[in-house]
Amino acid sequence: DVKVTQSSRYLVKRTGEKVFLECVQDMDHENMFWYRQDPGLGLRLIYFSYDVKMKEKGDIPEGYSVSREKKERFSLILESASTNQTSMYLCASSSGPRRETQYFGPGTRLLVL
Amino acid sequence: GESVGLHLPTLSVQEGDNSIINCAYSNSASDYFIWYKQESGKGPQFIIDIRSNMDKRQGQRVTVLLNKTVKHLSLQIAATQPGDSAVYFCAETSGGSYIPTFGRGTSLIVHP
Repeated sequence: DVKVTQSSRYLVKRTGEKVFLECVQDMDHENMFWYRQDPGLGLRLIYFSYDVKMKEKGDIPEGYSVSREKKERFSLILESASTNQTSMYLCASSSGPRRETQYFGPGTRLLVL
Repeated sequence: GESVGLHLPTLSVQEGDNSIINCAYSNSASDYFIWYKQESGKGPQFIIDIRSNMDKRQGQRVTVLLNKTVKHLSLQIAATQPGDSAVYFCAETSGGSYIPTFGRGTSLIVHP
């Protein structure tokens, strides 16, 4: 079974803090993704990576950065957390380039106060 | 299966009934479709997929139907159980892209 794990299920941070969300997958997938999920807005792609040290902006990259130093790990960074970044963050991975099925982690629910 | 505003479409069924969840897509070039199930507080879980060269695919208790003419996808769940209660959403990709487009989801509520 594909396993995608995220470092935290719940996080509470203060405005202005730097926040790190970690994601690890154990299936040697090339592609990794970060989404946020908000009620009524569905899944929105923040950043993705198709190889180590490669990253591409998704639909809503503002206020976020990412890091992929190793194939199995993809980190999402909130440089200075703001209340509008309160959300559910989902990491996913897929093998590429023709395998589009994404496998998701359990999600991190982030609250920014 | 698209939501309006903050409210997801909801389908309520009795345990044992068959459920049909619908999804409309707009891109005629879409060639790969996936259904996900998301239980409360969890990440989406892959259920079943179908390529555009097929119009039906069956899994365990689930069937996906694809109608390319009207750009419509449906997920049928046979003998629905309380454990099937979740949000279901479709995703589609086109042209070999590995970035899917996700639908907003439908909330399935199964009453015992």
